Amino acid sequence: DGGITQSPKYLFRKEGQNVTLSCEQNLNHDAMYWYRQDPGQGLRLIYYSQIVNDFQKGDIAEGYSVSREKKESFPLTVTSAQKNPTAFYLCASSISFVGPPKETQYFGPGTRLLVL
Amino acid sequence: AQSVTQPDIHITVSEGASLELRCNYSYGATPYLFWYVQSPGQGLQLLLKYFSGDTLVQGIKGFEAEFKRSQSSFNLRKPSVHWSDAAEYFCAVGAYNAGNMLTFGGGTRLMVKP
Repeated sequence: DGGITQSPKYLFRKEGQNVTLSCEQNLNHDAMYWYRQDPGQGLRLIYYSQIVNDFQKGDIAEGYSVSREKKESFPLTVTSAQKNPTAFYLCASSISFVGPPKETQYFGPGTRLLVL
Repeated sequence: AQSVTQPDIHITVSEGASLELRCNYSYGATPYLFWYVQSPGQGLQLLLKYFSGDTLVQGIKGFEAEFKRSQSSFNLRKPSVHWSDAAEYFCAVGAYNAGNMLTFGGGTRLMVKP
């Protein structure tokens, strides 16, 4: 089955630690996205990637980093600079990024990050 | 920049009753509008989307939404709610010149009473 997988489902971070969230898609989509979800605030865009070896900052990129070395993979690192990392993190993908926003974004099941 | 407001944070309806979830957007041109649903602890699933044409859009699971330009609204409706519809619902808007990026509303949590 085609889709998006995220791992782990739950992740615990200690103070000063960097952690990496995995996102893999087998939909052959060019574009991928990372969102952060906090209660009552909807989804906020952290980073997005239009194509392999390319990525741009979203609205709340501070304290996060990404890479896009393979089309199917878009890992997110939450660095120690992110002072309030506790949230639900969602990865999404779409066929393309170019042009008007007609392409559906498909979402993974999410990773919940908690700080110890 | 575009924005989305979902005025109702929580809504409770009885099973079998009708449902309307409100969504108001702010965007200077014709918007690209979406409704997504999220079950607890899960990702988001697209219910329906509107780009142009008929202002009444049909989606999956018996949902529909109506685009009203004069009111800057894109409200989601369902004539008879099932207990399995309990979830969080997100309205989103995209802008023509911003690629495939979406701006999401804060969400409305729907609870269904038996």
